Amino acid sequence: GDSVTQMEGPVTLSEEAFLTINCTYTATGYPSLFWYVQYPGEGLQLLLKATKADDKGSNKGFEATYRKETTSFHLEKGSVQVSDSAVYFCALRSGGSNTGKLIFGQGTTLQVKP
Amino acid sequence: DGGITQSPKYLFRKEGQNVTLSCEQNLNHDAMYWYRQDPGQGLRLIYYSQIVNDFQKGDIAEGYSVSREKKESFPLTVTSAQKNPTAFYLCASSARTGTGTPNEQFFGPGTRLTVL
Repeated sequence: GDSVTQMEGPVTLSEEAFLTINCTYTATGYPSLFWYVQYPGEGLQLLLKATKADDKGSNKGFEATYRKETTSFHLEKGSVQVSDSAVYFCALRSGGSNTGKLIFGQGTTLQVKP
Repeated sequence: DGGITQSPKYLFRKEGQNVTLSCEQNLNHDAMYWYRQDPGQGLRLIYYSQIVNDFQKGDIAEGYSVSREKKESFPLTVTSAQKNPTAFYLCASSARTGTGTPNEQFFGPGTRLTVL
């Protein structure tokens, strides 16, 4: 079945460092891909999405490109801030799915130090 | 403001008791979902509903039940049959595009259930 694999955390960076969180997926067809962010004690917020190959999603300085050839959707940010400390989830929605079901990776904790 | 509300934020239950978690949305979304989150794991789908009076089991439905009598409400009951119910529970909803494709999901703030 479809699945999502994220790099294990925690990831600890200094403020203004470059961030990469790896995400790879296994799916049949053409899934839609998402990154969600979860701040402590809260629900998930959609950070960005891409619905077809080579699409680049971007929001709040974060970017991710849908790479079908490598089945990847890595999250990047050029300069992280302390306020970016959170748990980041990569997710996919199977292509052709009319149920909207999402499959999530296990999450990657990011800690940014001043 | 439109959004999803979940209540209560924290819930304590004795073993053998059923408990119901509330989820309400005023986004006019057709689809609603319940997820369970455990430490170090991603979210796992418990139940989902695409329309009023209809719902389907997700990947871990055993020990849970739901109802969808109104568009804006999708309560989740954790029954005594659920062997390990202590977890963080998240409700979500989504609209559909004009072609019927489900749109991205919006999440509520979650309910943390602890079994004593």
